[in-house]
Amino acid sequence: AQKITQTQPGMFVQEKEAVTLDCTYDTSDQSYGLFWYKQPSSGEMIFLIYQGSYDEQNATEGRYSLNFQKARKSANLVISASQLGDSAMYFCAMRERYSGAGSYQLTFGKGTKLSVIP
Amino acid sequence: NAGVTQTPKFRVLKTGQSMTLLCAQDMNHEYMYWYRQDPGMGLRLIHYSVGEGTTAKGEVPDGYNVSRLKKQNFLLGLESAAPSQTSVYFCASSYSMDQGLGTKAFFGQGTRLTVV
Repeated sequence: AQKITQTQPGMFVQEKEAVTLDCTYDTSDQSYGLFWYKQPSSGEMIFLIYQGSYDEQNATEGRYSLNFQKARKSANLVISASQLGDSAMYFCAMRERYSGAGSYQLTFGKGTKLSVIP
Repeated sequence: NAGVTQTPKFRVLKTGQSMTLLCAQDMNHEYMYWYRQDPGMGLRLIHYSVGEGTTAKGEVPDGYNVSRLKKQNFLLGLESAAPSQTSVYFCASSYSMDQGLGTKAFFGQGTRLTVV
């Protein structure tokens, strides 16, 4: 079973609108962290936002927020007021605290390609 | 700040040739990783290291070897390249779990490898 599932291979959003990118995860650990990275067409991986499993508040970083629903095991990324520069691949990733190799690595989903339309 | 630097950025190999990808980080990170990125597959972990002199297998280790003789460097070797190893390779590094679960990984700019 995949540990990180991103069900939207591609998404379109109108400039200045908000968009939600879906991410569900699978773990038996109680302690884990969830990350979102952005990969523009230039190829670099840019860290966006982090949510810990024990964090009571949803994480926010500027126009990025993470809609964390622990019981549903989902960690959706919300981008508000989309900009043309938001067009990129977006990856959800997880680090688990006690699951052997999972404690050291980030496990990534397959990504969602977001296209912002002017 | 250099961060994580990968060498080379591009390479074309013939089937059966060998090569080494170099990753260097200047952030004194304990953990280092090699991922490969293929279309529709996301990033998959090849090997990782949690400290100088230690390495471990990730999800897709076959056909690759690694070494971490110095804390700042993590080398990925292909002994006999195959077309299936055509991919974009990313090196990453992070602080150890002692810094908490939220310690993020910093990535290099990637190496585009084509095996013909």
